[in-house]
Amino acid sequence: EADIYQTPRYLVIGTGKKITLECSQTMGHDKMYWYQQDPGMELHLIHYSYGVNSTEKGDLSSESTVSRIRTEHFPLTLESARPSHTSQYLCASSERTGLTDTQYFGPGTRLTVL
Amino acid sequence: AQSVTQLGSHVSVSEGALVLLRCNYSSSVPPYLFWYVQYPNQGLQLLLKYTSAATLVKGINGFEAEFKKSETSFHLTKPSAHMSDAAEYFCAVSDSGGYQKVTFGTGTKLQVIP
Repeated sequence: EADIYQTPRYLVIGTGKKITLECSQTMGHDKMYWYQQDPGMELHLIHYSYGVNSTEKGDLSSESTVSRIRTEHFPLTLESARPSHTSQYLCASSERTGLTDTQYFGPGTRLTVL
Repeated sequence: AQSVTQLGSHVSVSEGALVLLRCNYSSSVPPYLFWYVQYPNQGLQLLLKYTSAATLVKGINGFEAEFKKSETSFHLTKPSAHMSDAAEYFCAVSDSGGYQKVTFGTGTKLQVIP
């Protein structure tokens, strides 16, 4: 059982608000990821981190930012939310098992921006 | 570049019938292949993975998948569907390099009819 947590699970906010989606893992994994998931679409990687003080943008352009000050914590921030940010956001961490990285996912945060 | 194509966004089977979810991949290097399952309001959970060892891979919950290089396929099967198998299934591919970027398919929703 993977120990990766996301809060809040559901969030409905108005346009222009600043929000932070929290993600924590207790497995000591160095690599962490943020994905955006929309119905019928593939998961899109928006940010990733190799470890503390490491952050990189993913394939999908995103107006969000991330930080990695502690190994276990990888929050995602939207400075000014817009309706186009409405989506499900999945956090993951990974460890090398054998030849591959195995990703463990949190339960997701479903964000609705009105 | 790498990609996966999942044929059929929705698949319905009767309880007890064979489950077959199709995945074809494209990769310029030997791939690693994964199947994940996502239950409602949860994150993705790894079902099984192929890492160039045995071509028939067995996973959790009675699922298995066969890597066929000549067909560039990695279809997921289960001999007898159970009501609890109703979920969304994602095929994914990563390269075998150091970073191992993962690309997900668009998902297949499995409905199990009593």
